[in-house]
Amino acid sequence: GAGVSQSPSNKVTEKGKDVELRCDPISGHTALYWYRQRLGQGLEFLIYFQGNSAPDKSGLPSDRFSAERTGESVSTLTIQRTQQEDSAVYLCASSTGQEHTEAFFGQGTRLTVV
Amino acid sequence: AQTVTQSQPEMSVQEAETVTLSCTYDTSENNYYLFWYKQPPSRQMILVIRQEAYKQQNATENRFSVNFQKAAKSFSLKISDSQLGDTAMYFCAFMKHWRGGADGLTFGKGTHLIIQP
Repeated sequence: GAGVSQSPSNKVTEKGKDVELRCDPISGHTALYWYRQRLGQGLEFLIYFQGNSAPDKSGLPSDRFSAERTGESVSTLTIQRTQQEDSAVYLCASSTGQEHTEAFFGQGTRLTVV
Repeated sequence: AQTVTQSQPEMSVQEAETVTLSCTYDTSENNYYLFWYKQPPSRQMILVIRQEAYKQQNATENRFSVNFQKAAKSFSLKISDSQLGDTAMYFCAFMKHWRGGADGLTFGKGTHLIIQP
């Protein structure tokens, strides 16, 4: 596609349920980031994928959070046993990882845990 | 690890005025990239302007320009002739040259810019 696509756009879930968020990066982009943005706050790094290398998971806040990416395609961020503090916008970005390192963002998924 | 600091949580100016948003960063890298992103209420992060650290000339994109001071590790954004549509959160970001990870693309906490009619 032309840009980074994230789905769903909005998700409301009950506390304790699992959720799965999807990111379709720009075709050919080897680098992919997930960020969390709480209301009125900046972007918190969660996880980074670069090609077939082992992902950098150092930003994942707990073991309830996990993410997968198959090759250089779609990535899914899974949050298990959601808590109210997980409510946030989850943003995905991709870049070529090469000289032109501009990161392109999706519109995010707004997750609300009730 | 890199850090990016935006010291102005919120700024408000009148339409048509010029406004400058400040950003400082800390890094031991010599080659890197700096960005300003705009995030309107739609949540879409939009790249406003970018600067390569090896270029001494300040980047300019229409009404947007930067003042890049590499030695001082400062990267401010100037918006001239501000417009109502410029109202948004503005994030300063740092990226290492081609390497990523936790400190590869680092953001400041943002400045909420309000343009008053």
